[in-house]
Formats: sequence, C-alpha cells, structure tokens
Amino acid sequence: EAQVTQNPRYLITVTGKKLTVTCSQNMNHEYMSWYRQDPGLGLRQIYYSMNVEVTDKGDVPEGYKVSRKEKRNFPLILESPSPNQTSLYFCASSSTPSGLGGYEQYFGPGTRLTVT
Amino acid sequence: QQQVKQSPQSLIVQKGGISIINCAYENTAFDYFPWYQQFPGKGPALLIAIRPDVSEKKEGRFTISFNKSAKQFSLHIMDSQPGDSATYFCAASAFGMDSSYKLIFGSGTRLLVRP
Repeated sequence: EAQVTQNPRYLITVTGKKLTVTCSQNMNHEYMSWYRQDPGLGLRQIYYSMNVEVTDKGDVPEGYKVSRKEKRNFPLILESPSPNQTSLYFCASSSTPSGLGGYEQYFGPGTRLTVT
Repeated sequence: QQQVKQSPQSLIVQKGGISIINCAYENTAFDYFPWYQQFPGKGPALLIAIRPDVSEKKEGRFTISFNKSAKQFSLHIMDSQPGDSATYFCAASAFGMDSSYKLIFGSGTRLLVRP
C-alpha cells in the first residue's frame, strides 16, 4: 500500500529535550516536505527536500532541522523544543513538481506534539 | 504574510445544499491551485486541482471556479452530504527563481453538513 508513515503519532515532551519525528514514504517520491498545522493558520511549510541531500527552508523553519540521506526518509529534528512548537505536524511526499504544475502531495497521518 | 486568503472560516450547510469556499491569492507566479480535504485525525488528501489556463474544473459534485484576473478561485460542493463534513484547504504553488518549489495553504474552512 502506497503510504507516508510518521512516528511517533503523539509526543509530549519538555522544553529543551531534543526530539526527532520520523517520516518515511514507499512511493519512490523525490519531493518531501514537513508542515505544521495550527488553528486559524492552516498548514505552513517548515522544510522541504527536492531530492536526496537537497533541502531548503519553507516559511517557518526557525527551531527545526531536517536531513535527507535516503530517498524514502525525511526526519524532522527539534534540537531544543519550546512551547511555541506545540502543534500538529504533517509529512508529505510527491513526485517532482514540474513546470506543468504541481503534483499531488500525499500526507502522513500527523504527529501531535506538545512541549511543556 | 499570508499569500493565500481563505473564507469563510466555518460553514454550515443543509444536506443537499451547495457549499462554497473562496480563496484569493497575491502571487501571480502561482501556477497550480489544489484543494485538499481533511477529516478529523487524518492528513489532508487531494480533492481536486486546477491550473490557471482553465476557468473551471468539475469532478463529480466538486467544482473549482478560477478567475485569473481577480486572482480568486473557489470550491463548490453540489448536493452537499453529511460525509462531506471536513476541513477544506485551498492552496497555491509555483517554482521560485532558484528552482525551489513551495505549496502555500489557506487557513482552512471547517464544513458541517447537517442531515
């Protein structure tokens, strides 16, 4: 089954304790992205990756890191989480968007993070 | 800076009615306009999408209307059903000068279809 998986699904942590949220896709997609979803703000892009070893900042990258060492995996790292990073996080993947317009992004089930 | 503005924030429609959600964008470089549907506890899923070279796209009960000159696009759900109750996001995307690619989402509309 084609899917994007995220782990963990729920996480409660304390300020400053480093954490990693994993994301994996089995569709051989080049493009992967992380979003955070907050009430009234929709989904905002944190980081994206056009391919292995190619990453770039989205609209809200502060406080986050990513890496893309393998095509299927795109972990999100919070080195020193703060309460304002409490949010619902989604990983997504798609084929490489082209000049003909974008491609469908497939979203994972989400990770609800609470930082106290 | 919010590049895609979506309204209304919430919408209640009777079964069989028409649901209309509107979006406006600022960046004329946007070249792909998808709508995503999200059910509680799930990730968003692509519902329907349009490119700016057409003014309307219909898939079943779902229609996107696109007005390039006004920089607006809307989602119409005909014969709305309780199963359509979900949060809907419009989005827009474009390639940057540096070959970057971003998908910008609206703030979302929570639709409730009453039986």
